[in-house]
Amino acid sequence: GAVVSQHPSRVICKSGTSVKIECRSLDFQATTMFWYRQFPKQSLMLMATSNEGSKATYEQGVEKDKFLINHASLTLSTLTVTSAHPEDSSFYICSASEGASYEQYFGPGTRLTVT
Amino acid sequence: TQLLEQSPQFLSIQEGENLTVYCNSSSVFSSLQWYRQEPGEGPVLLVTVVTGGEVKKLKRLTFQFGDARKDSSLHITAAQPGDTGLYLCAGASEDSGYALNFGKGTSLLVTP
Repeated sequence: GAVVSQHPSRVICKSGTSVKIECRSLDFQATTMFWYRQFPKQSLMLMATSNEGSKATYEQGVEKDKFLINHASLTLSTLTVTSAHPEDSSFYICSASEGASYEQYFGPGTRLTVT
Repeated sequence: TQLLEQSPQFLSIQEGENLTVYCNSSSVFSSLQWYRQEPGEGPVLLVTVVTGGEVKKLKRLTFQFGDARKDSSLHITAAQPGDTGLYLCAGASEDSGYALNFGKGTSLLVTP
């Protein structure tokens, strides 16, 4: 089946620093990758959609200069949280889809804690 | 944004009982997916439904897509403790660039 990995699984950083999260599709080429944020006991909130080689499309209310997304290849997308603050602490999950498909395969998530 | 209302939000039942989770919207979706998520992990795809009136079965789980493709239901027969988790429905359409809109989820606890 389609496997998506994320790295790191957990990260703790100090306020003001930047953190990069990687999302990789291991056995398929991901034309589109999605980044979500999930707060405790809540559902997933879409942050942005990225297509390989194009600029990401951000959802309303998501700051593109704070959450930098790069989708440089068909198997890798990165999310960089710049100048992180404690309110950015959350569970970040990526997903990937192959071609024009409704099915998305999710990574295991990255727990970010900003102190 | 196409809103998905999921109910109930929380459900605690005993092993062997049946249950149904509902997912409703005023919008039409090209497809609807059901996911199950364990704490600290990403969602795992259970099923995708695309045709109005479609019914899919996955062992003890039965998924139905409404005729108008605005709603869906998940029925679990003879629930087991291993079914415990967060169940999420998500709808997508070509208009949304295949991005998923998630319901708020149903947290299911099955006790022995």
